[in-house]
Amino acid sequence: KNQVEQSPQSLIILEGKNCTLQCNYTVSPFSNLRWYKQDTGRGPVSLTIMTFSENTKSNGRYTATLDADTKQSSLHITASQLSDSASYICVVSAGGNLIFGKGTKLSVKP
Amino acid sequence: GAVVSQHPSRVICKSGTSVKIECRSLDFQATTMFWYRQFPKKSLMLMATSNEGSKATYEQGVEKDKFLINHASLTLSTLTVTSAHPEDSSFYICSARDELYYEQYFGPGTRLTVT
Repeated sequence: KNQVEQSPQSLIILEGKNCTLQCNYTVSPFSNLRWYKQDTGRGPVSLTIMTFSENTKSNGRYTATLDADTKQSSLHITASQLSDSASYICVVSAGGNLIFGKGTKLSVKP
Repeated sequence: GAVVSQHPSRVICKSGTSVKIECRSLDFQATTMFWYRQFPKKSLMLMATSNEGSKATYEQGVEKDKFLINHASLTLSTLTVTSAHPEDSSFYICSARDELYYEQYFGPGTRLTVT
């Protein structure tokens, strides 16, 4: 069964601190892995997309990693800002179908 | 990046009425669009895949007669919630696939409240 699991479910950090979100997946066939940011009451916005051969990709303060052997990905946020407060969703594409994780809700406090 | 719009952003309707939500791809053509539903603190749930010029493909458990989907052009798909009930209240999100880059872009969502 195709599954995407994220941890932690929620996270609270202080402004300026770094954090890392985790994503484990069992998806076949694997096409790519995406990280999305979803603000409350808004649609998801793509942060990174990685294919099988890529093991790291950055987008500003966001850096995603992918280990295709262990089927794990992480999203590292550097120097967090209040505007980083959102849900971060890991999505794995399986032959054109998107398998969604349940997301990690990040709260950045001043 | 590519933009997908939804209209309206929020709508309140009475039980028994129908509501139409529009999803548009603004700067690319989308043969395929997707409709999702999201409950509070839950992940997106795929409702149906909308194919331009043909019937939509519905996920198991989604009533096609209740959630009517029309994809009449390469830039517009509509979702009509018929005979809405309070339990239909939810956040509905569409996405459109850019076939050229095989990327999927999400709309901003529509908050439906049925009273």
